[in-house]
Amino acid sequence: VQLQESGPGVVKASETLSLTCTVSGDSINNYYWSWIRQPPTKGLEWIGYVHDSGDTNYNPSLKSRVTMSVDTSKNQFSLKLKSVTAADTAVYYCARYIRSGDYYIDYWGRGTLVSVSS
Amino acid sequence: DIQMTQSPSSLSASVGDRVTITCRASQTVNKYLNWYQHKPGKGPKLLIHSASTLHSDVPSRFSGTGFGTDFTLTISSLQPDDFAVYYCQQTQSFPLTFGGGTKVEVK
Repeated sequence: VQLQESGPGVVKASETLSLTCTVSGDSINNYYWSWIRQPPTKGLEWIGYVHDSGDTNYNPSLKSRVTMSVDTSKNQFSLKLKSVTAADTAVYYCARYIRSGDYYIDYWGRGTLVSVSS
Repeated sequence: DIQMTQSPSSLSASVGDRVTITCRASQTVNKYLNWYQHKPGKGPKLLIHSASTLHSDVPSRFSGTGFGTDFTLTISSLQPDDFAVYYCQQTQSFPLTFGGGTKVEVK
C-alpha cells in the first residue's frame, strides 16, 4: 500500500488548506483514513479520520475548521482546513488507520509541507 | 486528552548497544500503545502495535512491553539503520495522541 499527499505548498492566511491523498496498492473501501500533521520542530498531532461510509472523527482542537471526505471512484481521500493561520504551518501526512480489534496506523505517506503565508 | 510522555527526549548510542525508550500515559491506555520510527523526509514506520506485537517485516531486535500507563520500546542491538526518532502513540481514546519523540543519535 502506498499513499501520496498532494496539494498547494503555500496557503494564504485566513484561506482554506486543501490536500488530497491518493491510495495505491489497495482499495480505499472499508478502511479508516487519517490525517496527521507535524509543525516545524514539534511533535505529531492527529487531525482526524474518515471512513468510506462517511464516518468521521476529528480532533476537538481542530474540529470547527476541519472537513474530511473520501472519493472511492478515485481511491482518494481529502482534508480541508479552513481559516488557516501561521500555526497551521506543518508537514501533513495521510495514513491508513486500522480499527479491527487492534488500533494502529500501518501505512503513512511521505508527507507534504504546507506553509501559511501572511 | 491523554498525555503521552516519552523519555529520554534524546540519547546517544553506538552500534551494538541495547537501547530502551519509555513512554508513560497520563491515564490508562490498556494495551493500545503503538511505536513508530521516523526518519527525515519519510512517513513514520510502524514498529510495534498493541504494546508488544511486532508489525510485519520489522526486525526482531525491536520489542515492546507494558500495559496500562507504562511502556517500553527496546532495541536489543542497535544497527546503523536504527538512528531515527521514535514516537509512541495511544489509540485507547480520541483524540489519538503521540509522545514528544525520542531522537536516537550516533555516539
